[in-house]
Amino acid sequence: DTAVSQTPKYLVTQMGNDKSIKCEQNLGHDTMYWYKQDSKKFLKIMFSYNNKELIINETVPNRFSPKSPDKAHLNLHINSLELGDSAVYFCASSLGPGATYEQYFGPGTRLTVT
Amino acid sequence: GENVEQHPSTLSVQEGDSAVIKCTYSDSASNYFPWYKQELGKGPQLIIDIRSNVGEKKDQRIAVTLNKTAKHFSLHITETQPEDSAVYFCAASRASGTYKYIFGTGTRLKVLA
Repeated sequence: DTAVSQTPKYLVTQMGNDKSIKCEQNLGHDTMYWYKQDSKKFLKIMFSYNNKELIINETVPNRFSPKSPDKAHLNLHINSLELGDSAVYFCASSLGPGATYEQYFGPGTRLTVT
Repeated sequence: GENVEQHPSTLSVQEGDSAVIKCTYSDSASNYFPWYKQELGKGPQLIIDIRSNVGEKKDQRIAVTLNKTAKHFSLHITETQPEDSAVYFCAASRASGTYKYIFGTGTRLKVLA
């Protein structure tokens, strides 16, 4: 019954490692997003895909690479992890790319880099 | 750059009282303003939104007001209940085209029983 799911829920890793976070939505939406929420709860968009095409690409280090194999999935791969990458990463989806479409958020992945 | 300021950062109210959270945006082209509620350990969830052609919108105990001239918008929660305790985010965006949300910094609301 889950709408937007993310795996893993928690990720603890060391500096320099490479890790991936996976996201899946079963809502039939065309648009998916990755957000980063820092320790102060500040929520900032990183990427957005519409129908597998990248449409929003914020100023994010190129160590972060999103991949959308199909409309229902959006994964985030992070190379050479740094301490500052520690945050909660949220995946979201919406019916379309317009701002007025409600965004449905996943439960988040808490990434801790030591 | 574009930003959205949100106040207060924390707010404690007694159960049954009202709570007001205020936001100010910088992009004068913004015309869509959603509010999201984030409960502990969960992702944000849309609770109400307003477009710039409307000055006020109400949904049961929740209302949002917009002053486009002053670039202010506010969330009003009446008759607060313990389950209203959460972090609330305002956001601003342009309704047309592909445009991102600019989120406010969040308000942690605690409703004291």
